[in-house]
Amino acid sequence: AQSVTQPDIHITVSEGASLELRCNYSYGATPYLFWYVQSPGQGLQLLLKYFSGDTLVQGIKGFEAEFKRSQSSFNLRKPSVHWSDAAEYFCAVASVNTGFQKLVFGTGTRLLVSP
Amino acid sequence: GAGVSQTPSNKVTEKGKYVELRCDPISGHTALYWYRQSLGQGPEFLIYFQGTGAADDSGLPNDRFFAVRPEGSVSTLKIQRTERGDSAVYLCASSPRGDLLAGNNEQFFGPGTRLTVL
Repeated sequence: AQSVTQPDIHITVSEGASLELRCNYSYGATPYLFWYVQSPGQGLQLLLKYFSGDTLVQGIKGFEAEFKRSQSSFNLRKPSVHWSDAAEYFCAVASVNTGFQKLVFGTGTRLLVSP
Repeated sequence: GAGVSQTPSNKVTEKGKYVELRCDPISGHTALYWYRQSLGQGPEFLIYFQGTGAADDSGLPNDRFFAVRPEGSVSTLKIQRTERGDSAVYLCASSPRGDLLAGNNEQFFGPGTRLTVL
């Protein structure tokens, strides 16, 4: 069965430090990968997506992610975290196995930013 | 408004009651999606509309759940004989087109309706 795994339930990072959030997927076909952020009281917002081409993808708010097929991973990174980045982050995948219209989400990683 | 709106923001009901959750998508978006997010989980797909028709309802958990989009804009998610296990945040999203892989296409999410079944 298709699945997306975010192994870290929560992560605490000091403001100004670098960040990496992990995402692993399990699919038979080529995956199409997304990262979303969810702030309290806000809707999910798309940070970036990967469909094909360059495996390093740039997104909004200074985030980037790297697709590594050999590791079935799509980790999210940011070189310097700001207090406003504290939120819940979700990795998601859409693939031909499930139909392009469906996103399958991981369980999320809650990011806490310490002063 | 500029974004997807959902009403009510919170709904408390008793077990066995009927509830309706409303979604107003972004104007002009043909595709509309419903997801359910339980505590500590990621959103889980329920149903997808392209225009007025439900193109994929494979995520609806059982026949107590039903959704409509009669005029291709506003959608209503209906839950009959609610159960405590239905308690969750129900998210609505819309996109200009249905194909997520099309250029410059993405799902825009509303803030959700928090449903609590007592």
